[in-house]
Amino acid sequence: DTAVSQTPKYLVTQMGNDKSIKCEQNLGHDTMYWYKQDSKKFLKIMFSYNNKELIINETVPNRFSPKSPDKAHLNLHINSLELGDSAVYFCASSRREGGTDTQYFGPGTRLTVL
Amino acid sequence: GIQVEQSPPDLILQEGANSTLRCNFSDSVNNLQWFHQNPWGQLINLFYIPSGTKQNGRLSATTVATERYSLLYISSSQTTDSGVYFCAPAGGDSSYKLIFGSGTRLLVRP
Repeated sequence: DTAVSQTPKYLVTQMGNDKSIKCEQNLGHDTMYWYKQDSKKFLKIMFSYNNKELIINETVPNRFSPKSPDKAHLNLHINSLELGDSAVYFCASSRREGGTDTQYFGPGTRLTVL
Repeated sequence: GIQVEQSPPDLILQEGANSTLRCNFSDSVNNLQWFHQNPWGQLINLFYIPSGTKQNGRLSATTVATERYSLLYISSSQTTDSGVYFCAPAGGDSSYKLIFGSGTRLLVRP
């Protein structure tokens, strides 16, 4: 009965590889987000989708590409991984339509690029 | 964009003590949320509080939007309160684009 889930929880890979992180929410929310938390715990939004439409696209390298197949899923694909991509990536969701935008976070995916 | 400043950056308490965490923000907001990141990394939403006061058990929060600050009160602290507390406001046309402060790292000692 997990509200926001992410897979995998840990990801260790070599520079130059391509990897994906998946996120699913069963809260019936209409908006989903990807955040990046760096080694100093600083949290920054990367992308957001509302009803499968991209509504936030921060200054993120175009090696990062989100994809929302439906309202309950938001995936993050990263091409040509670099050392600086090492971080914890969090997915979150909220209800904008008729809601307060209270955001609920997944457990995070710790990405380590070697 | 909105600038967010949290204080203090670090706080050590003895179990049972009370504390107040502060969040100052640089612009008008229509959304403000407080989060707790526990030592295992999980982010828990504590409050949605763009204005006014709310209470949830030993925690309460107050946002004075006109003066651009929010406060989080922790009473009778417990070791499980340890972790990092983040304030995240949003405003203008981007009420869903939360801007996270750098956090207050709290350690509660038994």
